Order: sequence, then structure tokens, then C-alpha cells
Amino acid sequence: KQEVTQIPAALSVPEGENLVLNCSFTDSAIYNLQWFRQDPGKGLTSLLLIQSSQREQTSGRLNASLDKSSGRSTLYIAASQPGDSATYLCAVRRNSGYSTLTFGKGTMLLVSP
Amino acid sequence: EADIYQTPRYLVIGTGKKITLECSQTMGHDKMYWYQQDPGMELHLIHYSYGVNSTEKGDLSSESTVSRIRTEHFPLTLESARPSHTSQYLCASSEYRANTEAFFGQGTRLTVV
Repeated sequence: KQEVTQIPAALSVPEGENLVLNCSFTDSAIYNLQWFRQDPGKGLTSLLLIQSSQREQTSGRLNASLDKSSGRSTLYIAASQPGDSATYLCAVRRNSGYSTLTFGKGTMLLVSP
Repeated sequence: EADIYQTPRYLVIGTGKKITLECSQTMGHDKMYWYQQDPGMELHLIHYSYGVNSTEKGDLSSESTVSRIRTEHFPLTLESARPSHTSQYLCASSEYRANTEAFFGQGTRLTVV
């Protein structure tokens, strides 16, 4: 059974810092990995999608990497801003059965001015 | 921005009532999903559908039921609400191909009193 772990559970940084969020998964048989952002009481906003054949994806100040063989992904946020404060979730889509998404518990990020 | 909508956003209802949470998407996606999320916890898949007249139970046992009569519509029904059903319910959709992004609605926060 696929398990997804995110470290740290919470992170507090001053504005302007670069930071890394970690995601690990137990079964490397995946189609892709997706990073989401969730604001309090809201739904999920897709940030980046990395296919299993890719090593990284970039969108603006965000860069996500994937090492499928070791079951790890990182989300790098450059020059953090208070507006980045949210919970960040990673999810993997398994490549067997009905290929649904399995989520981690998320990292709660607070960026202070 | 994803074109997937959930109504209502918030619902407070008494024990024993029947409720239906609505989810609609205008992207023509074949796959649709319902996730349940308790505060500080990961999302758990409770139902999914691969197309019209297709419904499957997810990883987390749920007393709810779903239907998929039209591609764009995937409602979730609780026949008799209980306080243990209090949670946030998130609907998502994606294209049929497994290597595509999943998009989420804004969620319905349900409180059963």
C-alpha cells in the first residue's frame, strides 16, 4: 500500500528565505507526482505536476524535483513571501489499478513579513 | 483556474437528515473523485468514477453514495447524516489519461449537529 510522508509538518520562516519541502513515498511504481497548495478552509490548487520520467519541473519561484527510484520529491520555493503561507501537499498517482492519487498530510508553511 | 464547482461551501445540518453535496466540472473530464479531509489530516479517497455510469468505492470506507449520470456531474449523498460525518469533502476531476493533472473544487465543509 502506497504511503506518502511529508517533512517537516510545519515550517516558519522570515520573508525572503529560500526553503525546501520534502515528500517521500514507499512505492516507486507511480505515473506522476503532483504538488498542491491549500489555503485554510479552501480546496487544493495545483502547483506542479512531474511525470515519472521527469527529474524536475519549474513554475516561477517554484521548482519541484523527483527521484522516483529513491521515492523522494522536493519542492523548492525561492525568495519566500507572506502570500506563500499555506499548506503544501504532495500526491502520487500509482500506475496500477485505477491510478488514483495518494496524499501526504502536508507541510504547513508560515512566512512572516 | 480550474472549472470545478462544489455546492454548498458550508452546511450545518441535524442528525438523521439526508443531504446531497454537489460537484460539477466543465472541463469534459472523464474521471471524478470525492475525498474526505479532517483537520490536519491527509485526504482520503472515498469514491471515484471513470465515466458515466461508473462508480467505485475508494480507500476509506464511507456511508455515502455517489452517482454519475452525466459526465459533468458527480453528486455525493448521505442518506442519514451523523456527527461522525462532520468533515471537509473535496471533489476533483482529471482527464482519462493517467499522466494528467487533477483539479479540485473549493470543498464543502459539513457539520452535523
